[in-house]
Amino acid sequence: ETGVTQSPTHLIKTRGQQVTLRCSSQSGHNTVSWYQQALGQGPQFIFQYYREEENGRGNFPPRFSGLQFPNYSSELNVNALELDDSALYLCASTPRGLNTEAFFGQGTRLTVV
Amino acid sequence: AQSVTQLDSQVPVFEEAPVELRCNYSSSVSVYLFWYVQYPNQGLQLLLKYLSGSTLVKGINGFEAEFNKSQTSFHLRKPSVHISDTAEYFCAVSDGGTGANNLFFGTGTRLTVIP
Repeated sequence: ETGVTQSPTHLIKTRGQQVTLRCSSQSGHNTVSWYQQALGQGPQFIFQYYREEENGRGNFPPRFSGLQFPNYSSELNVNALELDDSALYLCASTPRGLNTEAFFGQGTRLTVV
Repeated sequence: AQSVTQLDSQVPVFEEAPVELRCNYSSSVSVYLFWYVQYPNQGLQLLLKYLSGSTLVKGINGFEAEFNKSQTSFHLRKPSVHISDTAEYFCAVSDGGTGANNLFFGTGTRLTVIP
């Protein structure tokens, strides 16, 4: 068990709504990254948070935003949901001072109808 | 820019037979290379990683991979597969600066072990 926990595990939203996904990183991990995994695809990097600031972003529009809290937990927010946002959203944390392994949570399955 | 190509989307193999899952990458900088496994309805679990040093890397569950810089490949191998190895396997690359914080994944290879 990696210690990275995500909530909720499943979620159904309507097109145009907003959603917040949550991630608790493993103890001692101060960097959190979020990935989107569409059905049948590999995960795609959304963004990374380090010390409560965005520290790298993939090719995702601004309606994808995030937060990192002082305890290093994180949120992913998606506004104006589109059908193509349906995917498994994965959170990964990396240990402080050691960026050579990312530990993944089990993901949140988001379905937009 | 970095990218990863997994040449086989599906690989069926009989139990106790050897298997190779192929991965090629492109990058203009030094890279870290990873193989992850994903079981149904699960997140990703790290199998092994190449950072530097020996080009033959051994991982968990009897898997190993060889980094070949001239061919820009990082193929995953196992000499004898088990039913429990049935899963989706992802090759990933990152640059040495961002490390494992920013991974670029391939599209995955579905390994099916046949009894």
